[in-house]
Amino acid sequence: EAGVAQSPRYKIIEKRQSVAFWCNPISGHATLYWYQQILGQGPKLLIQFQNNGVVDDSQLPKDRFSAERLKGVDSTLKIQPAKLEDSAVYLCASSLDRALAGGQLQYFGPGTRLTVT
Amino acid sequence: QKEVEQNSGPLSVPEGAIASLNCTYSDRGSQSFFWYRQYSGKSPELIMSIYSNGDKEDGRFTAQLNKASQYVSLLIRDSQPSDSATYLCAVISTGNQFYFGTGTSLTVIP
Repeated sequence: EAGVAQSPRYKIIEKRQSVAFWCNPISGHATLYWYQQILGQGPKLLIQFQNNGVVDDSQLPKDRFSAERLKGVDSTLKIQPAKLEDSAVYLCASSLDRALAGGQLQYFGPGTRLTVT
Repeated sequence: QKEVEQNSGPLSVPEGAIASLNCTYSDRGSQSFFWYRQYSGKSPELIMSIYSNGDKEDGRFTAQLNKASQYVSLLIRDSQPSDSATYLCAVISTGNQFYFGTGTSLTVIP
């Protein structure tokens, strides 16, 4: 079974530029998560999708971050404009179905390391 | 107060010893608890999930949950150098929100 795919793996941009990250979850997984992990910290949930609907985006900085999962499969996270403090690893994870018992087990992709200069 | 708290360590144990990792959480209504392992430069990898009070064993790993004390722990028996990593505790709160702790760095000394 293929795992969670993410691209690009690395990205370097200047502040005020925009950037987009792509994620393809495990086939059949209804729930998709985007996390931000700053060096030395645990992952912080940015947004959670159930199929193509947002179920939690309470920690997403909506003035600069946006995300979509239009067809309920792959997803894109965008930052515009980027700030220095956005330098982090952006992790995508998926789970079978958050509404099912045991369906919350999350499997992570390799992440995208973003450096903002 | 953070939703999930862990001692950042580092925790060092000799090879073959038991490593004990601890985590506390603030939302008393939380029902789902997870332990992830993260090697340096890699993404988190699920080790254990636990939902009921008591112990849950899987190979060399044992997760322990005490909801009354809002405490979850992970024991690693017969620790190996390959267990050296950061261990992340994660909790799903009553609002169905997913919170990770900052992680505990474990080093197993050969």
